[in-house]
Amino acid sequence: QKEVEQNSGPLSVPEGAIASLNCTYSDRGSQSFFWYRQYSGKSPELIMFIYSNGDKEDGRFTAQLNKASQYVSLLIRDSQPSDSATYLCAAGGGNTPLVFGKGTRLSVIA
Amino acid sequence: ETGVTQTPRHLVMGMTNKKSLKCEQHLGHNAMYWYKQSAKKPLELMFVYNFKEQTENNSVPSRFSPECPNSSHLFLHLHTLQPEDSALYLCASSQDLVVRDLQETQYFGPGTRLLVL
Repeated sequence: QKEVEQNSGPLSVPEGAIASLNCTYSDRGSQSFFWYRQYSGKSPELIMFIYSNGDKEDGRFTAQLNKASQYVSLLIRDSQPSDSATYLCAAGGGNTPLVFGKGTRLSVIA
Repeated sequence: ETGVTQTPRHLVMGMTNKKSLKCEQHLGHNAMYWYKQSAKKPLELMFVYNFKEQTENNSVPSRFSPECPNSSHLFLHLHTLQPEDSALYLCASSQDLVVRDLQETQYFGPGTRLLVL
């Protein structure tokens, strides 16, 4: 059973702080990893993608991948109340459809 | 706008009704998916279609019946639903079934909020 694990939270951070969201995956055949953001009552939207070990930065977002540890993370710098949402980690590249984690709920306190 | 549309956006139905959810993607993708998301619960993959053929059915009750007439359209036919079926139903599509890079990831529609009375 291919799994993607996330802490459900809620993760509470003060405005302006760095939010760190973590994810582990079970399938070593996974090659690409995605972070989706889902606001309450809305559908998931893709925000980051990473497939190489190391860091990938896009604005206030940094995705980190460590394939040896089967670990993916998303850092959000200068967190804003508008970042409050559920963040879904997903792994792809095996021989099955994209596998989603259960999501981590982030709350940024003003 | 992700290029995936769903209708209706909201639906209220009784347990004896029959209704259908519609999904359409304008991205030229080959794979389409139905997900269920109940309140404060994770995404549950229901059905997967690849090139119009169903490739996955995750033990979904028969009161949910999918239909994929072509690679651009996906339906979910509903009949004799239960109140616990009330949820957000999400359609997604991807270039191919196996996702290897950004161009192949899944894109979601806005969802249909279903309430079963």
